[in-house]
Amino acid sequence: AQRVTQPEKLLSVFKGAPVELKCNYSYSGSPELFWYVQYSRQRLQLLLRHISRESIKGFTADLNKGETSFHLKKPFAQEEDSAMYYCALRTSYDKVIFGPGTSLSVIP
Amino acid sequence: DTAVSQTPKYLVTQMGNDKSIKCEQNLGHDTMYWYKQDSKKFLKIMFSYNNKELIINETVPNRFSPKSPDKAHLNLHINSLELGDSAVYFCASSQLGSYEQYFGPGTRLTVT
Repeated sequence: AQRVTQPEKLLSVFKGAPVELKCNYSYSGSPELFWYVQYSRQRLQLLLRHISRESIKGFTADLNKGETSFHLKKPFAQEEDSAMYYCALRTSYDKVIFGPGTSLSVIP
Repeated sequence: DTAVSQTPKYLVTQMGNDKSIKCEQNLGHDTMYWYKQDSKKFLKIMFSYNNKELIINETVPNRFSPKSPDKAHLNLHINSLELGDSAVYFCASSQLGSYEQYFGPGTRLTVT
């Protein structure tokens, strides 16, 4: 079964604290994983993908095939990071399966 | 310049009515999608079109019918609207084989 899970529906952290948004996936093929973000009153947009292995807005995510995880991390949370974060798995035929989303709230 | 646009932004209608949501992209992409985001913010794909051909059709009621007059447009027509159809509908586009999807602003449909 192809599935993406994000165990935390809501996550609150203080400004300057580390943040980790968890994502686990289930996929029999070679996974292609992404994080999308939706800021308040803005459209959903790509944050990063696992293949690029880059840091975007201070966020990084490492694909762990053994644990089938793709957790999103940032060492020091900022208020502007408050948003809805979706982990996503791309399968064949360009089908993208989104996780249920985690709403991150950074407390000043 | 708006990359992916949707009209209307808000749609309030009564049960049993038929309504359409329009989507247009000016990115030159060849693949377009419709997603449904429910009240719990869960985002699920409904349809995908590549060059006007249907390539993904998830288990969506027959009351939902996508129409792609050309590769820059993908409209969603909904017949006999039900309360459970209330949601935010997102259109997206990408180039086939590309990893990134570009989303529209969403259409909030409320069925009363």
